[in-house]
Amino acid sequence: KAGVTQTPRYLIKTRGQQVTLSCSPISGHRSVSWYQQTPGQGLQFLFEYFSETQRNKGNFPGRFSGRQFSNSRSEMNVSTLELGDSALYLCASSLSGGKDIQYFGAGTRLSVL
Amino acid sequence: GQQLNQSPQSMFIQEGEDVSMNCTSSSIFNTWLWYKQDPGEGPVLLIALYKAGELTSNGRLTAQFGITRKDSFLNISASIPSDVGIYFCAGQTPGGTSYGKLTFGQGTILTVHP
Repeated sequence: KAGVTQTPRYLIKTRGQQVTLSCSPISGHRSVSWYQQTPGQGLQFLFEYFSETQRNKGNFPGRFSGRQFSNSRSEMNVSTLELGDSALYLCASSLSGGKDIQYFGAGTRLSVL
Repeated sequence: GQQLNQSPQSMFIQEGEDVSMNCTSSSIFNTWLWYKQDPGEGPVLLIALYKAGELTSNGRLTAQFGITRKDSFLNISASIPSDVGIYFCAGQTPGGTSYGKLTFGQGTILTVHP
């Protein structure tokens, strides 16, 4: 069974640009959560999607958005990039997002110059 | 928001030694999880705990869910070089506004000297 797949693995962007990251969950998993990991703030929850609906959202500005498709694949978008958005972005999938275990992808490393 | 205090921040040990790390929270969690992250990879689940007082083992790893539901610890016995990495605790309160949300500790960086 394939794990969580995130693409691309690495991205370099400049300030003001926007970026879209992709996450394919484990087959059968319908919940996808996104996290931002930085040395200073650690792992911070961005948002969670289930059945194409955002059910939960962390404390991030509106520049961070996401969506989920009918096949449970998810994308997150960051608009008007800032230097502080440089981070490892991780997605995790689970069966339903309740007490189910979250399985993480390898992440997308975003560098904003 | 909720914060998890994880300690120690880093550990330097000799191969064969035992390791202990813990997490405390100001809030109650219904689930405690321990993950390990290797460089360039995402966190991998080591142990999941679902009931207060629960003690669970996975090979050389043992973890406990504190009876107050505000703390957890992880022990690694007889460490080996491949134990090197960053260990994270995470808490979850399922349902409602906590759907799909894990709250993480700051991590413990483990270095094992052969």
